[in-house]
Amino acid sequence: QVQLQESGPGLVKPSQTLSLTCTVSGGSISSGSYYWSWIRQPAGKGPEWIGRIYTSGSTNYNPSLKSRVTISVDTSKNQFSLKLSSVTAADTAVYYCARDPLRSRFDYWGQGTLVTVSS
Amino acid sequence: EIVLTQSPGTLSLSPGERATLSCRASQSVSSNYLAWYQQKPGQAPRLLIYGASSRATGIPDRFSGSGSGTDFTLTISRLEPEDFAVYYCQHYGSSPPEYTFGQGTKLEIK
Repeated sequence: QVQLQESGPGLVKPSQTLSLTCTVSGGSISSGSYYWSWIRQPAGKGPEWIGRIYTSGSTNYNPSLKSRVTISVDTSKNQFSLKLSSVTAADTAVYYCARDPLRSRFDYWGQGTLVTVSS
Repeated sequence: EIVLTQSPGTLSLSPGERATLSCRASQSVSSNYLAWYQQKPGQAPRLLIYGASSRATGIPDRFSGSGSGTDFTLTISRLEPEDFAVYYCQHYGSSPPEYTFGQGTKLEIK
């Protein structure tokens, strides 16, 4: 059974960089054909896709966030990571990592981690 | 960019009743790339339906999906107490790759 777990600071100051890591267990991040995504959800709103990385390291980002987002993968640690720069209060949300089995949907999700942007 | 509009915003029903949730796309989309999720408070979304009509692993057969083009529907045939939650539709666009979600329908106990 694949499990995903997000980790990182719960509080980030405005203008700083938000950094989160997703640890995958129950299977190798580099086995199979999967895209690994970051998704966020502000309170009371629908989810918003941030971006994804393939096991080869290729990435795709939401155009609305592309200038501020970097997603990377560390196969030796079975992890992938998110960096979102120049954050503002509008970036406050629950951040999820999730798996797409190349079939355009998300079959496994992490439990989510709340990140608040505030001074 | 595809915009997904879900209706109604809130649906009030009783256990045992039938629920019909709508998802409308701003332009015609492939049904292969339309999915539905259930989300309960404090939990991550859970995949229910993919390819517009295929149930995900472990999903009860009271959940069904249908539709094509711009109009898609999630139907819950007989509501169980655990079905009261928020439901989201989601589309995948391949050129460029992008995932979009609807704003959600809250299914509440009447």
